[in-house]
Amino acid sequence: SQKIEQNSEALNIQEGKTATLTCNYTNYSPAYLQWYRQDPGRGPVFLLLIRENEKEKRKERLKVTFDTTLKQSLFHITASQPADSATYLCALAKGGSQGNLIFGKGTKLSVKP
Amino acid sequence: NAGVTQTPKFRVLKTGQSMTLLCAQDMNHEYMYWYRQDPGMGLRLIHYSVGEGTTAKGEVPDGYNVSRLKKQNFLLGLESAAPSQTSVYFCASSLGAGAYNEQFFGPGTRLTVL
Repeated sequence: SQKIEQNSEALNIQEGKTATLTCNYTNYSPAYLQWYRQDPGRGPVFLLLIRENEKEKRKERLKVTFDTTLKQSLFHITASQPADSATYLCALAKGGSQGNLIFGKGTKLSVKP
Repeated sequence: NAGVTQTPKFRVLKTGQSMTLLCAQDMNHEYMYWYRQDPGMGLRLIHYSVGEGTTAKGEVPDGYNVSRLKKQNFLLGLESAAPSQTSVYFCASSLGAGAYNEQFFGPGTRLTVL
């Protein structure tokens, strides 16, 4: 069966450093990959979408890569701040109008001042 | 714009009771979704709708029913609640297919079944 793994349940880093979160998948060929941020007690908020034919996508301090050979996506936050502390979810989907997102369990990021 | 709203925010049920969770969106989105989120399990899709009057099963549909009588509303029903349905429920909507469109999530409903 298809499986998505976010390889760290928790990641602690120092303010100003780059946070790198990993999303691996098996038995799956997604056409799209999305990243969401979730704060405690709140619903997820969309951050970035990347397509299978795109290697990299950037948005301000965020960068996502998508390697279909390695079956992996990396999510980077540069110059991290305490306000970046949250749980980050990756989600995959196949193409087509009926394709739905399959979510990973998330990585909880803590940025210490 | 209120975005996606959910009512109620919290609810406690006894086993066997029924209830309906209401989701409303004011963004004129075609697609709507119901997810549940459990510790260590991530978000799982219960049911979804690709337009008014349509519904379809997701990954974990058993024990739930849904209706989309109006484009802006998506209702999730539990006919006979079980403790295994204790969870946080999130509604989401998207302009087009959720695979390649941003999904907007509501604040969630925390349901406890005793």
